[in-house]
Amino acid sequence: DVKVTQSSRYLVKRTGEKVFLECVQDMDHENMFWYRQDPGLGLRLIYFSYDVKMKEKGDIPEGYSVSREKKERFSLILESASTNQTSMYLCASSLTSGGIYEQYFGPGTRLTVT
Amino acid sequence: AQSVTQPDIHITVSEGASLELRCNYSYGATPYLFWYVQSPGQGLQLLLKYFSGDTLVQGIKGFEAEFKRSQSSFNLRKPSVHWSDAAEYFCAVGPYSGGGADGLTFGKGTHLIIQP
Repeated sequence: DVKVTQSSRYLVKRTGEKVFLECVQDMDHENMFWYRQDPGLGLRLIYFSYDVKMKEKGDIPEGYSVSREKKERFSLILESASTNQTSMYLCASSLTSGGIYEQYFGPGTRLTVT
Repeated sequence: AQSVTQPDIHITVSEGASLELRCNYSYGATPYLFWYVQSPGQGLQLLLKYFSGDTLVQGIKGFEAEFKRSQSSFNLRKPSVHWSDAAEYFCAVGPYSGGGADGLTFGKGTHLIIQP
């Protein structure tokens, strides 16, 4: 089974802090994604990566950056956390092979910025 | 731009009754369609997917979905729901441009409540 893990289930940070959310997958997937989930808005794509050191902006990249130095690890960085970044953050990965595109999700990190 | 609409924010169903969750999409090419389920405090789990071929697809936990191109719909069904089916359900379409690296576009979700 594919396993996607996220470094924290719950995180509380102060406004202005730099925040790192880590995601690791164990199935050698090329693609990795970061979403945020908010009530009534569903999931929105922040950034994705299709290879080491490669990244692409999603729908809502403002205020975020990402890093992918190793294939299995994809980090989301909040350079200066703000209260409107309080949300559930979900990481996902997928293998692009033969047209298979389903994404596998981690358990999520609930971030509160005070 | 692609989009997914789940018209029902909440649905309440009695245990043992049948279920249908609606999903309509807008997509410029042949879509890849997915249904995911999210239990409280958990990540998303894939229920089923449609890529091509038979328009009626079977998934896990007794769920099925039917792709109807003429209606741009991909509704999820289950003949008899169990209390453990109470969760949030998301329909998704993708990828953005036909490449596997792009993300999925998700609907806003349908919250399923099961009445005893």
